[in-house]
Amino acid sequence: NAGVIQTPRHKVTGKGQEATLWCEPISGHSAVFWYRQTIVQGLEFLTYFRNQAPIDDSGMPKERFSAQMPNQSHSTLKIQSTQPQDSAVYLCASSRDRAFNQDTQYFGPGTRLLVL
Amino acid sequence: GQGVEQPDNLMSVEGTFARVNCTYSTSGFNGLSWYQQREGHAPVFLSYVVLDGLKDSGHFSTFLSRSNGYSYLLLTELQIKDSASYLCAVTMDSNYQLIWGSGTKLIIKP
Repeated sequence: NAGVIQTPRHKVTGKGQEATLWCEPISGHSAVFWYRQTIVQGLEFLTYFRNQAPIDDSGMPKERFSAQMPNQSHSTLKIQSTQPQDSAVYLCASSRDRAFNQDTQYFGPGTRLLVL
Repeated sequence: GQGVEQPDNLMSVEGTFARVNCTYSTSGFNGLSWYQQREGHAPVFLSYVVLDGLKDSGHFSTFLSRSNGYSYLLLTELQIKDSASYLCAVTMDSNYQLIWGSGTKLIIKP
């Protein structure tokens, strides 16, 4: 079991450019979550999918952020027209079906995004 | 509003213990999780509690009081490598989403 895989591990973009972050959840996990983490704000929820369907995107900045899960093996987070304040570590996590009565989330190593 | 609160920092001494507190106020509750996050790494699951009382898991123990909206993570026989941030998160009834605390940075001194 390779765990949650995130690529790239580091990304540097110029202001106004687009950034696409990739996540491969643990095989068999039905829920996928995206977070971003900064020293100032801590861990912020962005969005999550269950069985590939978007369930809650209440944490997503609406204008420039979008997330998709085209199949059960990967999800993408796209940031258009990146701004310096988007600089953060973007974490992806997956969890098993709720029937296990324990919503443990397994995190990937994160993508460290730096917008210059 | 809904929220999970944790103190920012905690300091303790190697070989002793540390208690990391967490208070929450949420419209639903299906359990509370504790995660450890070392500097530069992603959070790692430690424990999940849903019943009131103390859950002893050896080096890490957790306590929950649902009526008071309170939990703590107790670390005993502290080692320097226990220095990390400890985050608590509440699972809501209605969905998978976790409501996260901001984490407590635990520093262990020799």
